[in-house]
Amino acid sequence: DVQMTQSPPTLSASVGDRVTITCRASESISKWLAWYQQKPGRAPKLLIQEASDLESGVPSRFSGSGSGTEFTLTISSLQPDDFATYYCQEYNSHSLTFGGGTKVDIK
Amino acid sequence: QVQLVESGGGVVQPGRSLRLSCVASGFTFDRYGMHWVRQAPGKGLEWVAVTIYDGSNEYYADSVRGRFTISRDNSKNTVDLQMNNVRVEDTAVYFCAKGVGHNYGNPLDHWGQGILVSVSS
Repeated sequence: DVQMTQSPPTLSASVGDRVTITCRASESISKWLAWYQQKPGRAPKLLIQEASDLESGVPSRFSGSGSGTEFTLTISSLQPDDFATYYCQEYNSHSLTFGGGTKVDIK
Repeated sequence: QVQLVESGGGVVQPGRSLRLSCVASGFTFDRYGMHWVRQAPGKGLEWVAVTIYDGSNEYYADSVRGRFTISRDNSKNTVDLQMNNVRVEDTAVYFCAKGVGHNYGNPLDHWGQGILVSVSS
């Protein structure tokens, strides 16, 4: 099975900061990667699919890039609503695999 | 709008069974793969199982294969998760989620609110 490794596990940042989260796959998954945002007590929300395609309604400050085994999620200017936990997920195989998550909290 | 509503959670003893159900509305149910994803308390997301659009195939995480069964009824817009021989480590919030496409390998674009399953003696 593909393993997904996210880094860092936690990230402290301030409003207005540029934030980058990395996700590495144990084998190539082409572009079959999604990013989710989850807030405490809530279901995850799909932000990006196919590594870089922004979902409708997601602010343009979010962007995704990468292919193969290395992917990044970037928030260009962190807003108060963005403090949350972010997960990557591969969907190249029968069994979907999530990364361990990156919690973005207030510095 | 898309709605997914889970039911059937609760407290169950190790080794016993529990059945979760998810009722879907707001989309053409029989065109999409449906998934269950879980989240143990304070932990990350773990994909559990998928049933493809017509119910002809399903796939499971290694951690539940042989114990859990996913099924769907396209006439009722429901997807169930039969959990047998549950273990303490199955304790989690279980989410029902809709895939973007009809098959298994897809992102999950709509999620239910989640339902808690607690396995304890």
